[in-house]
Amino acid sequence: SQQGEEDPQALSIQEGENATMNCSYKTSINNLQWYRQNSGRGLVHLILIRSNEREKHSGRLRVTLDTSKKSSSLLITASRAADTASYFCATDGWGAQKLVFGQGTRLTINP
Amino acid sequence: DTGVSQDPRHKITKRGQNVTFRCDPISEHNRLYWYRQTLGQGPEFLTYFQNEAQLEKSRLLSDRFSAERPKGSFSTLEIQRTEQGDSAMYLCASSSERGGDTQYFGPGTRLTVL
Repeated sequence: SQQGEEDPQALSIQEGENATMNCSYKTSINNLQWYRQNSGRGLVHLILIRSNEREKHSGRLRVTLDTSKKSSSLLITASRAADTASYFCATDGWGAQKLVFGQGTRLTINP
Repeated sequence: DTGVSQDPRHKITKRGQNVTFRCDPISEHNRLYWYRQTLGQGPEFLTYFQNEAQLEKSRLLSDRFSAERPKGSFSTLEIQRTEQGDSAMYLCASSSERGGDTQYFGPGTRLTVL
């Protein structure tokens, strides 16, 4: 079963704009991770944020985590056509190694 | 570090046949995971190994599914008597206790059952 929801399910923006995707989850977590998946390919790890962290940056990516609201957001700044992909959040619980994924956000960057 | 590799990348089989997939994790990773992903959905956990021990199995892993990691290195996932509902992308991931909790995924094996 899926842990939670990603919002929006699909997002289409112009190249150069910022893209924001949200993820909500249901149970207490240890870590939250964001992955990117190009059509029909494997998942590429983007960033991991621990439950005691509130914000993390990596290049053009910014992730926030609000454990009181059980939600996270991924911001991609200055989007590029190559950012077109599906983006998934995944959580793991304390003492549990498995990742529980959301259904993903399909991001399209229009040139 | 050559990343996680999976073989084959694509498999087409007829209903009722058995199939086996292989996953080679990143060399120093002692944890290995299998996930299944259907079209338009996020991956779903199937099973997890730490070294050669299978520590957790999902209820999705029916008795037609078996996974092994005999020497704590590569792993195989076998599906017996395949059904059309088994058509999916099968993803393998690995991680290291010392490397934190990040799981690195392979390219996946896409299974089509006719």
